[in-house]
Amino acid sequence: NAGVTQTPKFRVLKTGQSMTLLCAQDMNHEYMYWYRQDPGMGLRLIHYSVGEGTTAKGEVPDGYNVSRLKKQNFLLGLESAAPSQTSVYFCASSYGGNRWTGELFFGEGSRLTVL
Amino acid sequence: AQSVTQLGSHVSVSEGALVLLRCNYSSSVPPYLFWYVQYPNQGLQLLLKYTTGATLVKGINGFEAEFKKSETSFHLTKPSAHMSDAAEYFCAVSEVPNDYKLSFGAGTTVTVRA
Repeated sequence: NAGVTQTPKFRVLKTGQSMTLLCAQDMNHEYMYWYRQDPGMGLRLIHYSVGEGTTAKGEVPDGYNVSRLKKQNFLLGLESAAPSQTSVYFCASSYGGNRWTGELFFGEGSRLTVL
Repeated sequence: AQSVTQLGSHVSVSEGALVLLRCNYSSSVPPYLFWYVQYPNQGLQLLLKYTTGATLVKGINGFEAEFKKSETSFHLTKPSAHMSDAAEYFCAVSEVPNDYKLSFGAGTTVTVRA
C-alpha cells in the first residue's frame, strides 16, 4: 500500500544549487499536483498535470519546473534554489475527468531548506 | 477565481467540548467544498466534501459540515472533541468543471485540552 511516495524526505541546499524532487504514485491516477506548505499560508499549488506529457502552472510556479514523462511519476525541479523556496513540498494525485471527486491523495512531504 | 478564508489560525478546546472551525469561500460558479486534516508530520487526508445535493455532509471521525450558499460558508463541527482530533484542518474549494484544482485556506490548528 505505497500510495504516493516522495523522495527525498529532507534536503538542505545552498543558494544557487539545483535539485529534483520525485513523486511516484501506484494508484493509476491521471492527475498529479505539487503544492508547497508555508506557515500561515496553507498549501499553494505550484504546478499540476492532467496526464502523461502535460503540465500546467499553478498559483506559484516561478522558480520551479516539472515533468511528467510517465503516468506514475511527477518531478519537481529547482534550477537555482533561493532561500524563499525553503518550504515543505507535497505531492498529490487523484483520478481525472469524470472520475474526479476532489479527493487528493498526498505524500508525506519533502522538507527543503535553502541556506 | 476561487478563494478560501479560514477564521482563526488556532483553536483550543477542552476534551468533550464542541469543535467549530469556520470557513468562508468565494467562487464564480457553484463550488465543490472540502475539509482536509493533517496530523503531525503527515500529508493531508480528506475529512469530508460537498459537491451537490444535501447541504449537511458527514465525514470521518464524527465531523460534519454544512454548506450555506447565502452565507458562502462551509463550517466544520464535531459535537465532542477527542484528544486524537488535535491536528491542522484545511478548508478547500474547487470550481469543477472549470478546473480540477483545489485552493486551500491557511489552515486552523486545533489543540485539545484534557
